[in-house]
Amino acid sequence: ETGVTQSPTHLIKTRGQQVTLRCSSQSGHNTVSWYQQALGQGPQFIFQYYREEENGRGNFPPRFSGLQFPNYSSELNVNALELDDSALYLCASKQGGPDTGELFFGEGSRLTVL
Amino acid sequence: GEDVEQSLFLSVREGDSSVINCTYTDSSSTYLYWYKQEPGAGLQLLTYIFSNMDMKQDQRLTVLLNKKDKHLSLRIADTQTGDSAIYFCAESTGGYQKVTFGTGTKLQVIP
Repeated sequence: ETGVTQSPTHLIKTRGQQVTLRCSSQSGHNTVSWYQQALGQGPQFIFQYYREEENGRGNFPPRFSGLQFPNYSSELNVNALELDDSALYLCASKQGGPDTGELFFGEGSRLTVL
Repeated sequence: GEDVEQSLFLSVREGDSSVINCTYTDSSSTYLYWYKQEPGAGLQLLTYIFSNMDMKQDQRLTVLLNKKDKHLSLRIADTQTGDSAIYFCAESTGGYQKVTFGTGTKLQVIP
């Protein structure tokens, strides 16, 4: 039990729609990052937020956006969904800032795009 | 750039030791991680090592880091059927510690 909770656990969308995924970090964790894990692959870094600002981004287009709130919870928004966006989306958090070690993951939100 | 490689599959007998290997390319890695993922689940942090360490031991788990060869290994002693899962090696790099994962090694434990 990592204390990182994500919702929804599963959802189905159609191509062109928009989706919002939510993450509640472990208490005291001020850095949150999002990862996309396609079937049979390792997770790919999408972006990271620290103190409500995006401070790092992977190779994902601008239709992937995020927010971090003052209570350190976070959202991942994906616009104009494509079939290849079908994946497990994982939220991870850490305490003490981006340059500390322990990174804890939630159970993920499994998105299917039809 | 960052690249992390692992073998895809490892099969061991229950009670034996398992050794999962990983190589990475970025010499500026700060932390190196081992995560476990069971089917349909998220990632469980098993252990991590700071890049200036050579070894870390935690109960049945031993992590060895050869920074010169950019090689990381995870040894699981007395492997149990509950250890069957996919194991991911990962490294963190850069000012904001982006984490790059390997493709995972599927460990199968035969009773």
